[in-house]
Amino acid sequence: QKEVEQNSGPLSVPEGAIASLNCTYSDRVSQSFFWYRQYSGKSPELIMSIYSNGDKEDGRFTAQLNKASQYVSLLIRDSQPSDSATYLCAVGLDGSSNTGKLIFGQGTTLQVKP
Amino acid sequence: EPEVTQTPSHQVTQMGQEVILRCVPISNHLYFYWYRQILGQKVEFLVSFYNNEISEKSEIFDDQFSVERPDGSNFTLKIRSTKLEDSAMYFCASTPGTGVDFGPGTRLTVL
Repeated sequence: QKEVEQNSGPLSVPEGAIASLNCTYSDRVSQSFFWYRQYSGKSPELIMSIYSNGDKEDGRFTAQLNKASQYVSLLIRDSQPSDSATYLCAVGLDGSSNTGKLIFGQGTTLQVKP
Repeated sequence: EPEVTQTPSHQVTQMGQEVILRCVPISNHLYFYWYRQILGQKVEFLVSFYNNEISEKSEIFDDQFSVERPDGSNFTLKIRSTKLEDSAMYFCASTPGTGVDFGPGTRLTVL
């Protein structure tokens, strides 16, 4: 059974701090990794994708991937109250016949306090 | 920027009734999907659709579910005989090949 694990939180950080969200996955051959943000009652919104080991930065967001440790993380710098949401880690199942089939983690709830 | 759209936003039905959830994926995307999220639980893959046929389905997608692309734009999910446990948010999604864009979802409530 392929699994994606996240700490459900809540993770509480003060405004302006760095929020660090973590995710581990079980399928060693996975090659595509995504972070989605989901506000309560809304659909997941793609914020970062990463495919190779190392860091990928986009604005205030940095995704980090370590395939040897089967670990993905998301750093949010200068956290804002509007970043308060649930962050979903998703892993693409390689070896399947199509792209886009994702396995999701439970999500980590982030609370940014003013 | 084009978006995936879904109708209705909320559907209430009686157990045993058939429901059809509708989606308009982004037009130049190649793969289309249905995912669902039971309240408080993970987002779960149901089915993928490519070149007018199912390319993959999960164990959740049993004989009571079906998908169709009746014309060049709409993509539908039919649940033939709804059960209480089918109550969930159903998300349509599409991808151009990297990353998946989700629609706003249809909240299905089975009474």
